[in-house]
Amino acid sequence: QTVVTQEPSVSVSPGGTVTLTCGLSSGSVSTSSHPSWYQQTPGQAPRPLIYSINTRSSGVPNRFSGSIAGNKAALTITGAQADDESDYYCVLFLDSGLWMFGGGTKLTVL
Amino acid sequence: EVQLVESGGVLVHPGGSLTLSCAASGFTFRSYWMTWVRQAPGKGLQWVANIKPDGSERSYVDSVKGRFSISRDNAESSLYLQMNSLRPEDSAVYYCARWGYYSGYYHIDQWGRGTLVTVSS
Repeated sequence: QTVVTQEPSVSVSPGGTVTLTCGLSSGSVSTSSHPSWYQQTPGQAPRPLIYSINTRSSGVPNRFSGSIAGNKAALTITGAQADDESDYYCVLFLDSGLWMFGGGTKLTVL
Repeated sequence: EVQLVESGGVLVHPGGSLTLSCAASGFTFRSYWMTWVRQAPGKGLQWVANIKPDGSERSYVDSVKGRFSISRDNAESSLYLQMNSLRPEDSAVYYCARWGYYSGYYHIDQWGRGTLVTVSS
C-alpha cells in the first residue's frame, strides 16, 4: 500500500530557511495529487497553509511557500520565526481515489 | 463566518456504536464535498471518509470500510459519521472538515474543533 512520507522532525534556526517534503513510497507527487499543507499546534485544529501547489491560505504569511520539486511536494519557510514551531502535515490524493495524510513533521525552531 | 461544530464524541465500549454529527453554517453546505479526519492521541492526522455534495459518492480509508458510514442532510446543513463495531484503535479526535476547490485543486479549507471518541472497556 502506498504511504505518504514526511520527515518526522526537522530543526531550523530563527531567521533561517527550511524545506519540508511530502512524497510517496511508490511513485511521484504531481499536480494530480492535489498536494496541500496544514500547520497544527498542540490542542488545536489544523490550519490550512498552502494549496494549489503554491497558493497561501488566507492570513498565511508570505514566508511560507510551496512547490513540487523532483518527485515530491515541498513546503519552504523562509525567515523562520519562533511561532512557526509546530507540526506540519501534507495530504495527497492517491491513484486509488482515496486521500492520505503524511505522518507529519515536527518543526523545531532553535 | 464559516463554522463547523462537531458533537457526539463519548466513551464507548469496544464493539459499540456511535454517531457523530457536524453542524455547518456560514456557507452553502450542499455545494461542498465534506470529510471526516481523525487524530489519535499523540499521533498524526488520518483521513477517514469523504462525501460528495449530493451524497451520491462516498469513500473511506480501508481501516473503517464496512464499519463506518458517512452521510449528510443538506436541508439541515449537517454531516454525520455512523461508527459501528468500534475498536480501541478508533479512539481519536474526529474533525469535520470542508473540501474547498480552487483553480482546479482540492484542499481542506475549513476545519471544526473536533470531538473526542474514546473506545475502551
